[in-house]
Amino acid sequence: GNSVTQMEGPVTLSEEAFLTINCTYTATGYPSLFWYVQYPGEGLQLLLKATKADDKGSNKGFEATYRKETTSFHLEKGSVQVSDSAVYFCALTGGGNKLTFGTGTQLKVEL
Amino acid sequence: DVKVTQSSRYLVKRTGEKVFLECVQDMDHENMFWYRQDPGLGLRLIYFSYDVKMKEKGDIPEGYSVSREKKERFSLILESASTNQTSMYLCASSLGWGQGAYEQYFGPGTRLTVT
Repeated sequence: GNSVTQMEGPVTLSEEAFLTINCTYTATGYPSLFWYVQYPGEGLQLLLKATKADDKGSNKGFEATYRKETTSFHLEKGSVQVSDSAVYFCALTGGGNKLTFGTGTQLKVEL
Repeated sequence: DVKVTQSSRYLVKRTGEKVFLECVQDMDHENMFWYRQDPGLGLRLIYFSYDVKMKEKGDIPEGYSVSREKKERFSLILESASTNQTSMYLCASSLGWGQGAYEQYFGPGTRLTVT
């Protein structure tokens, strides 16, 4: 079946540091890949997505590239802010409308 | 903007009680989902529905049932609550087809404590 593996957190960074959160997946066929973000006290919201190999999703300074050869979709941001503190979930859908989520990675950004 | 609302943010129930969690979406979405979120386990799908009166089991349906009598409303029912059902419950909705079907919109969650 489908599965998503994320790096464990929490990840603690200073403001303006470079962020990478690793995500790898196992899926049959050609999944679409997503990053969702959950701010404190809120539900999840879609951050970015990529629907085919070599696509790059981007939003709010975050980027992730769909790498079929390494089955990865790592999330990056060049300069994080305190307001980026949240839990980040990598997810995939391999057909149909169901998402398979990773376990989430908590990011803490300090001044 | 899509809005998904859940009936309660916090709920405390006793073991053995019947519990209803309600979810309403206002964007005429065909698909609706119930997840539970637990530390270290991420989100796990309990049930989903792709149309009125239609439902399918997710990964962890045991101890839960659902009801979808109207398109905009999807209810999660704990027939006899147990302490291992203490969790955060998240509702989501999405379009029924095409690329839009992959983007799920989430409610703020209900934190349920069963004592």
